Amino acid sequence: DGQLVESGGGLVTPGGSLRLSCAASGFSLRSFNMNWVRQAPGKGLEWVSSISSRSTDLLYADSVKGRFTISRDNAENLLYLEMNSLRAEDTAVYYCARHYFDSSGHGLDIWGQGTTVTVSS
Amino acid sequence: IQLTQSPSSLSASVGDRVTITCRTGQGMSSYLAWYQQKPGKAPKLLIYAAYTLQIGVPSRFSGSGSGTDFTLTISSLQPDDFATYYCQRLNGYPSFGQGTRLEIK
Repeated sequence: DGQLVESGGGLVTPGGSLRLSCAASGFSLRSFNMNWVRQAPGKGLEWVSSISSRSTDLLYADSVKGRFTISRDNAENLLYLEMNSLRAEDTAVYYCARHYFDSSGHGLDIWGQGTTVTVSS
Repeated sequence: IQLTQSPSSLSASVGDRVTITCRTGQGMSSYLAWYQQKPGKAPKLLIYAAYTLQIGVPSRFSGSGSGTDFTLTISSLQPDDFATYYCQRLNGYPSFGQGTRLEIK
């Protein structure tokens, strides 16, 4: 089927930066829109950002707009999330997810295992 | 546009039929999906396009609804089904419902 593996999480001080990566295997990333979704400790899922297959359309949640940048390298089958000006409220598990669609509709059908970002002094 | 999911939690027994509701505020059935998440695990796609069962998902799961009101139904709860469930809208700026925690009674 396919697999996604995130990396790059860790502990960072407020105001700091991190770059998350998501490596795809078993399918060609270039054929799919991709998303980042996060989950703060004990909380629900929050959509963070999405990118179209050729990077022409980028969307961000209001909570991260201006601080986070989504990008992709289709040749390397990699998705990225550059996170700047990090805040305590950005602490979460970050998932990358593939946006699947067919004649019926849409869903996020493949998810990575998640990478943990902790923002703390 | 916010998604309103209810109930926020639910206690049920093995064999029970349960229903979770998601109100989208905008008609968009082809962009409505349901996920199951277990503690420490990534979400799993159950249903997309409001009614279409994802490959490999047991047939006791079903989706229904139209317009702005959608439901996820589990026809006969199994021990593996106790988890948290989320609806999601994928059009425009995607968003998730608040989640429904399904617990064993």
